[in-house]
Amino acid sequence: GNSVTQMEGPVTLSEEAFLTINCTYTATGYPSLFWYVQYPGEGLQLLLKATKADDKGSNKGFEATYRKETTSFHLEKGSVQVSDSAVYFCALLHAGNNRKLIWGLGTSLAVNP
Amino acid sequence: GAGVSQSPRYKVAKRGQDVALRCDPISGHVSLFWYQQALGQGPEFLTYFQNEAQLDKSGLPSDRFFAERPEGSVSTLKIQRTQQEDSAVYLCASRAPGGASYEQYFGPGTRLTVT
Repeated sequence: GNSVTQMEGPVTLSEEAFLTINCTYTATGYPSLFWYVQYPGEGLQLLLKATKADDKGSNKGFEATYRKETTSFHLEKGSVQVSDSAVYFCALLHAGNNRKLIWGLGTSLAVNP
Repeated sequence: GAGVSQSPRYKVAKRGQDVALRCDPISGHVSLFWYQQALGQGPEFLTYFQNEAQLDKSGLPSDRFFAERPEGSVSTLKIQRTQQEDSAVYLCASRAPGGASYEQYFGPGTRLTVT
């Protein structure tokens, strides 16, 4: 079946550090891939997405590249800010099931000044 | 415009009580989803509506869970005879019709605590 595996948190970084949060997936076919972010006290927000292999999603300085050969969609940011402190979720939407999202467990990020 | 809203934001129920959770999707969004998010976990799919039709309810954990969307807009998730394991945040999301974007827009969630 379809599944998403994320690196476990919490991740604690200093401001301006480089961030990588690993995400790998298992799916048949060609799923669309997403990163959602949940800031404290707020709902889930779409951060970025990629719908086909080799696509790079980007937003707010975050990037992730859809790598079919390694079934990965790692999230990266070159210089994190305190305001990036949140929980990050990797998710997939199977191409043949245009309905539910399959989610990773989430990775908590804390950025210290 | 207004986003997805959910009410109540917090609900405390005694074990055995029935609860009803409301979701107001973004106007014009035909697709509506319910997810359950346990503490420290990712969301888990519960059910999916397209307009008033419930096309997928495979994620509902038991027959105590029931969802409806009678007029194709507001949806209610009802849990009968609540149990402690039902304690979670219940998320509603809606999605615009058609197009190439599969983005789901989430409400803030209802945090249910069963005591």
